[in-house]
Amino acid sequence: AQSVTQPDARVTVSEGASLQLRCKYSYFGTPYLFWYVQYPRQGLQLLLKYYPGDPVVQGVNGFEAEFSKSNSSFHLRKASVHWSDWAVYFCAVSTKNTNTGKLTFGDGTVLTVKP
Amino acid sequence: GPKVLQIPSHQIIDMGQMVTLNCDPVSNHLYFYWYKQILGQQMEFLVNFYNGKVMEKSKLFKDQFSVERPDGSYFTLKIQPTALEDSAVYFCASSLLGGGAEQFFGPGTRLTVL
Repeated sequence: AQSVTQPDARVTVSEGASLQLRCKYSYFGTPYLFWYVQYPRQGLQLLLKYYPGDPVVQGVNGFEAEFSKSNSSFHLRKASVHWSDWAVYFCAVSTKNTNTGKLTFGDGTVLTVKP
Repeated sequence: GPKVLQIPSHQIIDMGQMVTLNCDPVSNHLYFYWYKQILGQQMEFLVNFYNGKVMEKSKLFKDQFSVERPDGSYFTLKIQPTALEDSAVYFCASSLLGGGAEQFFGPGTRLTVL
């Protein structure tokens, strides 16, 4: 069964500092991986997605992520954090099985940005 | 970008009553999903729906739950009867394709069962 682990429940960074949010996945085969962001009282918005190919994926608002098969990881990075990045970040894995497509989410990481 | 709408945004009902949550998916999308979020963090898959049928459901999708999309109208989640543990935020999502395609999420319906 597929699963996702986000080992850090909370991360605090200063505005302007770099950021890495960790994600480890468990999946038999080649996964499709996603990072979503959730702002307070809103739905999820897609930051970026990985389909088999280039391991470094560029997303919106300066975010990128790197897929590593050997480490079973898909960590999210940003070079310079802005206060508006304060939100909850979810890593998710999906299957290429066209009969389904459910997303399996990690527990989320709450990002707090200090001024 | 494409938007998924959910009605109502908040619903309060007494335990044992029936509730229907409505989702207006992206107009040309073919796959529809419900997810349940508890305590503002954990997001869990409930069910997905394609071509008028449930394709996959999780253990959270109890016998009291049902989904339908009659005649291309709202995609609905019905709970009958409701229980206290059904209190959560329910998110609808839709995608054009299955199998790993990008899903677009609605803003959620906060369900409170008293």
